[in-house]
Amino acid sequence: QKEVEQDPGPLSVPEGAIVSLNCTYSNSAFQYFMWYRQYSRKGPELLMYTYSSGNKEDGRFTAQVDKSSKYISLFIRDSQPSDSATYLCAMIINTGGFKTIFGAGTRLFVKA
Amino acid sequence: EAGVVQSPRYKIIEKKQPVAFWCNPISGHNTLYWYRQNLGQGPELLIRYENEEAVDDSQLPKDRFSAERLKGVDSTLKIQPAELGDSAVYLCASSRIFGETQYFGPGTRLLVL
Repeated sequence: QKEVEQDPGPLSVPEGAIVSLNCTYSNSAFQYFMWYRQYSRKGPELLMYTYSSGNKEDGRFTAQVDKSSKYISLFIRDSQPSDSATYLCAMIINTGGFKTIFGAGTRLFVKA
Repeated sequence: EAGVVQSPRYKIIEKKQPVAFWCNPISGHNTLYWYRQNLGQGPELLIRYENEEAVDDSQLPKDRFSAERLKGVDSTLKIQPAELGDSAVYLCASSRIFGETQYFGPGTRLLVL
C-alpha cells in the first residue's frame, strides 16, 4: 500500500462546476498537507498549504483536512478551462528529518 | 524574479550513455532538491542540498547517479550509464530554507532508447 493514495482520473467537468479532488494517507505522522497544480510540461506549483484539520480557503480554492479519517480534499469552485491540469497532493512527514511524499496526481479537464 | 532554470529541457540518449542535467535555483535559495517524476506519478525525491552539502541522498541510486552543488548555487545531476528505466522527467526545485515553499523548475524530460 502506498503511503499516499490519489485517484489518477481523468476527471472531466463542465465549466462552472465544483470540483472535488481527494487523497488518503496511511501514516498518522504526516504533519503538513499541500496541493500542487502541474500544467503539461511544467513543474508543479504550490496552491495550498495547511497543517491543521479543517478548511482553508483561498479564492476559488478550499483545502480540507480530516486527520481522524486520514483524508484531504481540494475543492475548486466555478471551475475554468484554465484549471485543466494535474493536481498533486503532497504531505510532509518527520522521520528524523522532514520528507515530502507526493500523490500520483489527478488529471482534471474543465470543458468550456 | 527569475524562477528555477533547468537545462536541457529534453534529452534523448541511447542506453549505457552518460547524461547530465543542470539546475540554477532562485537567487538566495539555500535548499535545492532533485526529483524524478515518472509518467502518471508524483515527484520522488532523489537528493536534497543545504547549500553545498547533500543532506538527504537516501533515494539516489548511487551506483549510477551522482550530483554536485559546487559553491552552493548551481547543481548538476549525472547518470552514467543510463538505463531504459531512467526515462522520466527530472525536476529541480529550490526553497529559501528547508521547510519553506518549494519552487519547481520546468524539468528535463529524458528518454533513454
